[in-house]
Amino acid sequence: NAGVTQTPKFQVLKTGQSMTLQCAQDMNHNSMYWYRQDPGMGLRLIYYSASEGTTDKGEVPNGYNVSRLNKREFSLRLESAAPSQTSVYFCATSTPRGTEAFFGQGTRLTVV
Amino acid sequence: DQQVKQNSPSLSVQEGRISILNCDYTNSMFDYFLWYKKYPAEGPTFLISISSIKDKNEDGRFTVFLNKSAKHLSLHIVPSQPGDSAVYFCAASGLRRGNNRLAFGKGNQVVVIP
Repeated sequence: NAGVTQTPKFQVLKTGQSMTLQCAQDMNHNSMYWYRQDPGMGLRLIYYSASEGTTDKGEVPNGYNVSRLNKREFSLRLESAAPSQTSVYFCATSTPRGTEAFFGQGTRLTVV
Repeated sequence: DQQVKQNSPSLSVQEGRISILNCDYTNSMFDYFLWYKKYPAEGPTFLISISSIKDKNEDGRFTVFLNKSAKHLSLHIVPSQPGDSAVYFCAASGLRRGNNRLAFGKGNQVVVIP
């Protein structure tokens, strides 16, 4: 029972490079999220998907795109990485009523 | 615009004593509140929650109190144990209005001294 799985766990990018962070859940939840965590900033919502085929912007969507490929997978893409995107990224899914969210282990991304 | 606020970023407490973490919110649409615990290099894990129809919820050593009129909630950990050393996030959502997106505070670092 893996829950929420993120890949990769670590990544170093050069400014301007692109990459996709992958997330998959086996909890059969409709809602999935991407957050970033920065020192002193808590967890900030980047994008949200209420169900397969739908996505919505969160607090800090600029510089990111997402794709809800199917119910299980929700990917986050950085088209042209910037040093300001250095952060720890968390994927999450929530119960149908949103009463509890389950997080992946995180991806530590450094943009140099 | 931080809708969920956690002041006093860090707290040190002796093992066996009480840890109290505070959280304030500004959005009156929030009606469900959660606390998450996070260890280094791991994702946050759910700890305890409370609905706005209650003012207290207890689960073992953890109790959450909600004061709706003050838009304030607190987490009490009694007795504190070294394994409780972690970052604690307060979160809120507006379930009854169909918004299950969680808004998080900045977190509180708790250090329990053996």
